[in-house]
Amino acid sequence: GAGVSQSPRYKVAKRGQDVALRCDPISGHVSLFWYQQALGQGPEFLTYFQNEAQLDKSGLPSDRFFAERPEGSVSTLKIQRTQQEDSAVYLCASSLGGQGLLGNTIYFGEGSWLTVV
Amino acid sequence: KQEVTQIPAALSVPEGENLVLNCSFTDSAIYNLQWFRQDPGKGLTSLLLIQSSQREQTSGRLNASLDKSSGRSTLYIAASQPGDSATYLCAVNADSNYQLIWGAGTKLIIKP
Repeated sequence: GAGVSQSPRYKVAKRGQDVALRCDPISGHVSLFWYQQALGQGPEFLTYFQNEAQLDKSGLPSDRFFAERPEGSVSTLKIQRTQQEDSAVYLCASSLGGQGLLGNTIYFGEGSWLTVV
Repeated sequence: KQEVTQIPAALSVPEGENLVLNCSFTDSAIYNLQWFRQDPGKGLTSLLLIQSSQREQTSGRLNASLDKSSGRSTLYIAASQPGDSATYLCAVNADSNYQLIWGAGTKLIIKP
């Protein structure tokens, strides 16, 4: 596609509900990143995929967070048993090369705004 | 642990002025530094990428400088326009290929 596409754009979840956030990266992009951005803060790294391989998941805040990219294109970030502190914008980004950030321009989606009530 | 700070948190200037946004980082061992723009309700757009071996990068009215030894970067915007109003974030790529460490951003308002 022309850009990184994320869905849903807005999600309101009741505390304890499971949510799934989808990311469609730019076609052909090898690297895919997930970031979490709280209101008024900069984004914080969650996880990184090189094709279907999840090479770094050190930023996932708890075992309630799970991400996958089974065919090396579309990725899903799943949050189980959502809590109020999970309320944030979840940003997906992709880049062409397979070396993560080195020498590659990174393109961000518009984000999925999650509110847990 | 790498920390990135941006000062000021918000800035309002009249149209046409030149301005400087500041970014500081605590660990000088970085691969590169990037400046991004974020419009309300939108994602992030990369503006300039400076490799650790570079001193500055320019794109149109934007110029970013990097002084690794002092842990500082500046984003210079010339002849500001109302369309420049946005939040500007800097991010460093430090100890991995995958993680950007971000500042909290400077919210810029250009008054017509």
